[in-house]
Amino acid sequence: ETGVTQSPTHLIKTRGQQVTLRCSSQSGHNTVSWYQQALGQGPQFIFQYYREEENGRGNFPPRFSGLQFPNYSSELNVNALELDDSALYLCASSLDRAVLGHEQYFGPGTRLTVT
Amino acid sequence: DQQVKQNSPSLSVQEGRISILNCDYTNSMFDYFLWYKKYPAEGPTFLISISSIKDKNEDGRFTVFLNKSAKHLSLHIVPSQPGDSAVYFCAASGNTYNTDKLIFGTGTRLQVFP
Repeated sequence: ETGVTQSPTHLIKTRGQQVTLRCSSQSGHNTVSWYQQALGQGPQFIFQYYREEENGRGNFPPRFSGLQFPNYSSELNVNALELDDSALYLCASSLDRAVLGHEQYFGPGTRLTVT
Repeated sequence: DQQVKQNSPSLSVQEGRISILNCDYTNSMFDYFLWYKKYPAEGPTFLISISSIKDKNEDGRFTVFLNKSAKHLSLHIVPSQPGDSAVYFCAASGNTYNTDKLIFGTGTRLQVFP
């Protein structure tokens, strides 16, 4: 059983650019959630995908978008990067939206730096 | 507005003693609470959870207490071990049927020294 993996590990982008981050779910998991963790803060929920459909969104602007593929891997896309987008981006996978008792498992994260 | 608060950014405890990490929340609709542990360069790892219908849940050295009237929960680690040194996040959910959409606190860095 493989865990949650994310790529790339680190990324440096310039303000105004676009970025795509990738996440492979734990085997058997059909739900992926994305979180942004700014320095000194806890993770903040961005959105969730369940069986390829968006299933809830946090307080993030539309330039944050995502995709989930038939194999349940996922992408997070951020357009028009701003300096405040610099953060650790975490994805977490779970089974069936983590019904009570089915916890979600986090990947190691992608560290994005916007200059 | 921070709905989940961990007011102690750090805690230092001697090995073998009890570690108590605290968490306060403001939203009375939260009905499921979790603790995650995070080591550097790794994602958060689920530690223990508690439903709002309970006031205590125990798993080995880890016990979580929930005081709904005070909107407060705490994580007790007994005995503390050096390997417990990590950042601990408290998280809350308003939906026991979809606990993925978590609201996290800012974390408490626990250091356990010999």
